[in-house]
Amino acid sequence: KNEVEQSPQNLTAQEGEFITINCSYSVGISALHWLQQHPGGGIVSLFMLSSGKKKHGRLIATINIQEKHSSLHITASHPRDSAVYICAVKSGNQFYFGTGTSLTVIP
Amino acid sequence: DAGITQSPRYKITETGRQVTLMCHQTWSHSYMFWYRQDLGHGLRLIYYSAAADITDKGEVPDGYVVSRSKTENFPLTLESATRSQTSVYFCASQTGWEYEQYFGPGTRLTVT
Repeated sequence: KNEVEQSPQNLTAQEGEFITINCSYSVGISALHWLQQHPGGGIVSLFMLSSGKKKHGRLIATINIQEKHSSLHITASHPRDSAVYICAVKSGNQFYFGTGTSLTVIP
Repeated sequence: DAGITQSPRYKITETGRQVTLMCHQTWSHSYMFWYRQDLGHGLRLIYYSAAADITDKGEVPDGYVVSRSKTENFPLTLESATRSQTSVYFCASQTGWEYEQYFGPGTRLTVT
């Protein structure tokens, strides 16, 4: 069983395009995290959400608690955005992760 | 160095041997975590710790042992390594449950 599902699994975009990555979850949560994993393997936290919307630079994350869904948007995508984006949810004292969306932005 | 570090970064060991992976953070974060990352499974929580001397199981704890005698250190021990424990292991820390996590660089472990 997968508590967290992401779509798409793979995404290729042209530089400058608007990108959306989706995350759906099946458990009750208190927080949702978006992570970025660089090609070298390092993982960085982008956002932690419990409601509403957050924006950081060209990145926007939204969450709809009722629909159990979150989206990560990247505006004006750039090749340096190429990475794997991972959705994670905190449910009780457990964390569950999606398998990630691999994004490639072509110049 | 400030931050969160893991050692070793790469390790090859044989089936049945005991292996300890180290994690050290300099922020005095209360929470620390161990994850493993495998193709097709994504990240999975092995163990976490809410404070020194407080640890609890995650999603996949079997075959692993943790301890946390000091706030800054959270070692993960494979008491008798198996091939199925070949993986990339990430340590993370967090100041509180509702804050972002900071990840270490990972340890790539191969069990032959």
